[in-house]
Amino acid sequence: GQNIDQPTEMTATEGAIVQINCTYQTSGFNGLFWYQQHAGEAPTFLSYNVLDGLEEKGRFSSFLSRSKGYSYLLLKELQMKDSASYLCAVKVAGSYQLTFGKGTKLSVIP
Amino acid sequence: DSGVTQTPKHLITATGQRVTLRCSPRSGDLSVYWYQQSLDQGLQFLIQYYNGEERAKGNILERFSAQQFPDLHSELNLSSLELGDSALYFCASSVGSPREDTQYFGPGTRLTVL
Repeated sequence: GQNIDQPTEMTATEGAIVQINCTYQTSGFNGLFWYQQHAGEAPTFLSYNVLDGLEEKGRFSSFLSRSKGYSYLLLKELQMKDSASYLCAVKVAGSYQLTFGKGTKLSVIP
Repeated sequence: DSGVTQTPKHLITATGQRVTLRCSPRSGDLSVYWYQQSLDQGLQFLIQYYNGEERAKGNILERFSAQQFPDLHSELNLSSLELGDSALYFCASSVGSPREDTQYFGPGTRLTVL
């Protein structure tokens, strides 16, 4: 089976940088996704990592270490609109479905 | 806007009733996924269809069923509804490739069972 762990809640200040961690244990690995979800809305795709290293997309970056079963999402120059839940999801080798973590609720304060 | 559409947006019904949720995938996507999200749970995968055929099953109750039609839209049927079925139900679609296969989510249907 799969086990995905993320912190439940985090708080950060507007303009700052925040790192949201995700650790996973899976039987086989075929990629890791990060999604953003505002309360009551649909998850929206942020990033995908399948190889070790850092992927940068504007203010958001995502890092993966497959040997450590570890990923993080880095948000820079935080804005109030970044207040949302961030979901880490793993795709297992040989499967088409994603297994989601419970999400990290980020609150950005002035 | 992801390009995935879901109807209805809200649904209020009583215990014991049956409802149907509808999803239209993004243009070109062959795969449709259904998820349930309740307050104390993360996104729970229910079932996946690819080009009309069931491809994977998750934690889907026997009271729930789904299908994907030739035009690729999908319906999720929930029957003998219980209070605990109150949740957000999301549909997602993807190309259906075994490699990178990003899922794009619809706006969801909020189901309230009274």
